[in-house]
Amino acid sequence: NAGVTQTPKFQVLKTGQSMTLQCAQDMNHNSMYWYRQDPGMGLRLIYYSASEGTTDKGEVPNGYNVSRLNKREFSLRLESAAPSQTSVYFCASSLTVSGYGYTFGSGTRLTVV
Amino acid sequence: ILNVEQSPQSLHVQEGDSTNFTCSFPSSNFYALHWYRWETAKSPEALFVMTLNGDEKKKGRISATLNTKEGYSYLYIKGSQPEDSATYLCASPPGDMRFGAGTRLTVKP
Repeated sequence: NAGVTQTPKFQVLKTGQSMTLQCAQDMNHNSMYWYRQDPGMGLRLIYYSASEGTTDKGEVPNGYNVSRLNKREFSLRLESAAPSQTSVYFCASSLTVSGYGYTFGSGTRLTVV
Repeated sequence: ILNVEQSPQSLHVQEGDSTNFTCSFPSSNFYALHWYRWETAKSPEALFVMTLNGDEKKKGRISATLNTKEGYSYLYIKGSQPEDSATYLCASPPGDMRFGAGTRLTVKP
């Protein structure tokens, strides 16, 4: 029972480098999300995909891009990493955007130096 | 209320105490209210999803109530145990589902 799988678990980037965080779910969920968690800020939504083929900005989308590759996979790309993007990133999925609980991945701890 | 707000920010109780926290959310265009339990170094886990005014949900010693007209939900823990120590989050979808900052509960043995 894999649920939501995120890779990598840890990453250190230099300022200006790019990288893609991968997320895959095996629960046949329609909706997927990317959140970042910062001390004292709680969980903030970066982007979400209500269904395959759609993506929408969340609260803090600047500096990020996403791709809903298929129903299972939703990736988050940092084109030019900045120290302000140092955070823990969580991917989540749910059957639909509102009436069902979210299942979260184990998180990616990203440090930008 | 434009955002989801939780109170208190933190709570320290003794083992065996009962406790409760509050989640306030925008009552207009309400769809659902979620509660999550988040243990340190783990991922948030869904506790309840509530959709109807007056809804009450229960899971073991934890229960929650919902008032959609006034925009609040209470989470209750009866007879707190050290393993209940965690941050409890609420969130209100849909779309850019905003999470509250959480209530951090510490239960002392």
